[in-house]
Formats: sequence, C-alpha cells, structure tokens
Amino acid sequence: GAGVSQSPRYKVAKRGQDVALRCDPISGHVSLFWYQQALGQGPEFLTYFQNEAQLDKSGLPSDRFFAERPEGSVSTLKIQRTQQEDSAVYLCASSLERGQVEKLFFGSGTQLSVL
Amino acid sequence: AQRVTQPEKLLSVFKGAPVELKCNYSYSGSPELFWYVQYSRQRLQLLLRHISRESIKGFTADLNKGETSFHLKKPFAQEEDSAMYYCALLDNYGQNFVFGPGTRLSVLP
Repeated sequence: GAGVSQSPRYKVAKRGQDVALRCDPISGHVSLFWYQQALGQGPEFLTYFQNEAQLDKSGLPSDRFFAERPEGSVSTLKIQRTQQEDSAVYLCASSLERGQVEKLFFGSGTQLSVL
Repeated sequence: AQRVTQPEKLLSVFKGAPVELKCNYSYSGSPELFWYVQYSRQRLQLLLRHISRESIKGFTADLNKGETSFHLKKPFAQEEDSAMYYCALLDNYGQNFVFGPGTRLSVLP
C-alpha cells in the first residue's frame, strides 16, 4: 500500500469491553512498532516486532494489553477489559529494515475513547 | 533514565520572525536525537536528525552535549510551519524512540 494503514480510525468502547486495533504496515517492512499517545503528550512506546517476533514488549502498561503479528505483516493490538485511562491515540509505525528506526513511517492512528 | 523535555506547549510567532523550539534530554551515553513534525490532519513524520546535520525546510538543530539540548531553529518562520513538533531520543539499543511531549508552533500572519 501507499503507507501504514490503521483501522478503525476511531473506536468508542464501553468500560470493560475488549477492543482490537489493526495495523497494516508498508509491504515488505520488517520492523513494526506500536505507540500510545495520550492527549497532550508525545507518543510512548508500547511494543516492537521484527517480522513475527515480538522483541520488546516492555512498554505495554498492563497484562490487559496484548499484541501479535503472526505472519510478520499485519499486526493487531488487543486491549482487554478497557479502562478510561486507556483512552488515547494508538499509533503504528513500520520501517524497512531492522534498526532503521530513522526511517519510520507512521500510520494515522486509531483514536480510542473509553466511556 | 532516558527522558526528553519540551518546556513550551505552545509557541506563537509572527511570520518572518525567528523561531526556536526548545528540547532538553537526559541520557546515559552518546545520544541520537531527532525532530518529528505533525502538520494538521497529517501523519507524524521525520523532520531532521542530528547525525545528518542538514537543514530541512529551513530548520536546523544542533546537539549541545554540555547543555543536553537539541533546540530546533529557523531564522524566518512561515505560516506553513505551523504544526506540532516532537523532539525524540533513540534509546540505548537503537530500537526505540523516547518522545517529548511536543510543542505546538503557531505562525501568525
């Protein structure tokens, strides 16, 4: 595709509901990152994949957050039992090669609102 | 701990005036720093990195290790420079960014 695609663009969830956010990276991009951006803040790292391997998940805020990339392309970020503090924009980014973070391409993000 | 601070949430300047967006960092090691920009309704994108020492859209940034700063400067601001600007630090493993909270630049006509 032309760029990193994220869906849905907006998601409203009731507290306690499970949500799944999708990221389609640029075709052939090896590295994939998820970031969480709260209102008025910069993006904060959640997790990183190299192909299908999740190499770093140190930024996931709790065990309610889970990410996968089973075939090394599309990735899904799942949040179980959503809480109001989960409300944020969730950004996905990809880069062509391992360690090439200076050439990260970002998606438009999914804005999650938990009521 | 690695941390990036941007003291100004909002910076307003008039067109043609000089602009400086401040960025300070804390890092144990040799830092690699970047500026990212997000224009209205667009995606976050790389503006420049200190290693390349280049000028992009008239912007420059110099790494000052003594003051642990990486301020972004432009001598003559243009209205199209209005955007959110994020300073970012590449972590010890070179795999992940630590972003600052961002500064909204508003260039007034």
